[in-house]
Amino acid sequence: KAGVTQTPRYLIKTRGQQVTLSCSPISGHRSVSWYQQTPGQGLQFLFEYFSETQRNKGNFPGRFSGRQFSNSRSEMNVSTLELGDSALYLCASSSFSWNTEAFFGQGTRLTVV
Amino acid sequence: ILNVEQSPQSLHVQEGDSTNFTCSFPSSNFYALHWYRWETAKSPEALFVMTLNGDEKKKGRISATLNTKEGYSYLYIKGSQPEDSATYLCAFLNAGNMLTFGGGTRLMVKP
Repeated sequence: KAGVTQTPRYLIKTRGQQVTLSCSPISGHRSVSWYQQTPGQGLQFLFEYFSETQRNKGNFPGRFSGRQFSNSRSEMNVSTLELGDSALYLCASSSFSWNTEAFFGQGTRLTVV
Repeated sequence: ILNVEQSPQSLHVQEGDSTNFTCSFPSSNFYALHWYRWETAKSPEALFVMTLNGDEKKKGRISATLNTKEGYSYLYIKGSQPEDSATYLCAFLNAGNMLTFGGGTRLMVKP
């Protein structure tokens, strides 16, 4: 079956702009989480969606938001981009609960200049 | 904020050496402990999902143990090979279904 697909793979944006990243989970998976990885940092949890509802939220400013559609595809949006938002953004999906393994996409590399 | 810590941060070993890493996590509100391997330019891939205190899991030369009462898990690699070079991540799942990752252990195996 197809894996987790993230688009775009690479993105360059200017400070102050906004960006939307997309994640298509594995078919049948209803839980989607987003993570940010910056140099020297581990995977920082952004938020998790399950059946179109945000179930968990990490410690990020309100400029970071997300949503999930009825087909479980998810988007995350970052408004008013800052240089520090440059990072690899990973999406992961899981079948029901995280008691089973998570499957990751290849990520979107965002560079803010 | 949940503290999930891994040690060491990085490790250089010779091919054939056996090695182990540690993951420590909160001992309360435990639901599961995940281990992932993350190779450069690839996505993290699951190694183990462990839920019960005393759990031991094995996949080839890699094995893991879990102690939920004291809040730690060990990952062992027997006879390391260059293809084992990767970052190994552990992640703590609480009862709220939030998966929190540690900083990872970067393993480099020299031929």
